[in-house]
Amino acid sequence: EVQLVESGGGLVKPGGSLRLSCAASGFTFSNAWMSWVRQAPGKGLEWVGRIKSKTDGGTTDYAAPVKGRFTISRDDSKNTLYLQMNSLKTEDTAVYYCTTQNGDYFDYWGQGTLVTVSS
Amino acid sequence: QSALTQPRSVSGSPGQSVTISCTGTSSDVGGYNYVSWYQQHPGKAPKLMIYDVSKRPSGVPDRFSGSKSGNTASLTISGLQAEDEADYYCCSYAGSYTFWVFGGGTKLTVL
Repeated sequence: EVQLVESGGGLVKPGGSLRLSCAASGFTFSNAWMSWVRQAPGKGLEWVGRIKSKTDGGTTDYAAPVKGRFTISRDDSKNTLYLQMNSLKTEDTAVYYCTTQNGDYFDYWGQGTLVTVSS
Repeated sequence: QSALTQPRSVSGSPGQSVTISCTGTSSDVGGYNYVSWYQQHPGKAPKLMIYDVSKRPSGVPDRFSGSKSGNTASLTISGLQAEDEADYYCCSYAGSYTFWVFGGGTKLTVL
């Protein structure tokens, strides 16, 4: 059974940093492309960024609102995905979901972790 | 404002059919056959219901179907059941600069 468990969310001040983790199990993590998708309170879904598998180059892509501030990385030895968030803004407040990416869709989702950016 | 436009809400009675539309542009919905749909119950994670416009993942009832015409994709749910009451989001690939865009979501109420 595929399981994705996010952690690391919390309250942070504007301009601060936070690192989210996503522990994966039930599939071959090293072969998987992974994405982060976020959802602001009461709002819709927004794609944040993606990392390819190392065999496919391990490259990352980001949505325009987070490019240059957020960094996605992976540790295949730990089956863990990361999202390093710097220079956080109030508009980054959201539940952040870790997802597996199968081609051009997101097939498995974690339960999410809440990030609140507020002074 | 979301990149893809969905109605805020739709409703139907048990056993009826409802269709949720998702309108984009030739740069996203109209340009690729990469539309997916997600169901989200309150406080839960989204769940994939349809991918590649009309394909259903294993385990999704065949009451759920997808289609596309031009820049508009649609999700049809037939034989509505109480457990179908949820928010539904469409998503489309939008090219190698924007990548993926979502709709604003549609709240389905089963009367």
